[in-house]
Amino acid sequence: DTEVTQTPKHLVMGMTNKKSLKCEQHMGHRAMYWYKQKAKKPPELMFVYSYEKLSINESVPSRFSPECPNSSLLNLHLHALQPEDSALYLCASSQDVAMGTGSPLHFGNGTRLTVT
Amino acid sequence: AQSVAQPEDQVNVAEGNPLTVKCTYSVSGNPYLFWYVQYPNRGLQFLLKYITGDNLVKGSYGFEAEFNKSQTSFHLKKPSALVSDSALYFCAVRDPTREYIFGTGTRLKVLA
Repeated sequence: DTEVTQTPKHLVMGMTNKKSLKCEQHMGHRAMYWYKQKAKKPPELMFVYSYEKLSINESVPSRFSPECPNSSLLNLHLHALQPEDSALYLCASSQDVAMGTGSPLHFGNGTRLTVT
Repeated sequence: AQSVAQPEDQVNVAEGNPLTVKCTYSVSGNPYLFWYVQYPNRGLQFLLKYITGDNLVKGSYGFEAEFNKSQTSFHLKKPSALVSDSALYFCAVRDPTREYIFGTGTRLKVLA
């Protein structure tokens, strides 16, 4: 079982809806990540939080809005999405915050998002 | 530019046979290399990593990987494949200047 918990597991939303994805970890990790993954493709980095501050935003459209309320929680707020945004959204955490160290990513099982 | 390549989209192997999933990398400086596995409808699971030290790294579920600096490779291996090893495998590299770079993935199919 994964130590990173994501809710909901599945989400179907219309293009005018507002919804949020949630992620929680209790491993004491100080870096948290959002990835987007299309079928049979590698994960694509969206956002990185380091000590609850946004440190990387990989040119993600503003219809995706991340939030890190505390060191254990990470949210992704969704608004006015497009059908091409349908994908598996993965949350991950890692122990270290410094770039280029050996701490592996710990992934949740993801939220399968369908935009209709 | 930093990159990692997985030259095979799919690898088929008979149960009980040894398996190899290939990965080559291109980074400046010392690479930090990782293997992850993804089962259907699940997130990625960390298998093993190479940071420094012995070139043969042992990981979870009986997997190991061999780091070869001269060939810039980090191939994943297992002496005896199980049907339950069938999954999507990703090689990844992390260098001192940015986050993880994932390979395109290799689908492993172990045939009973």
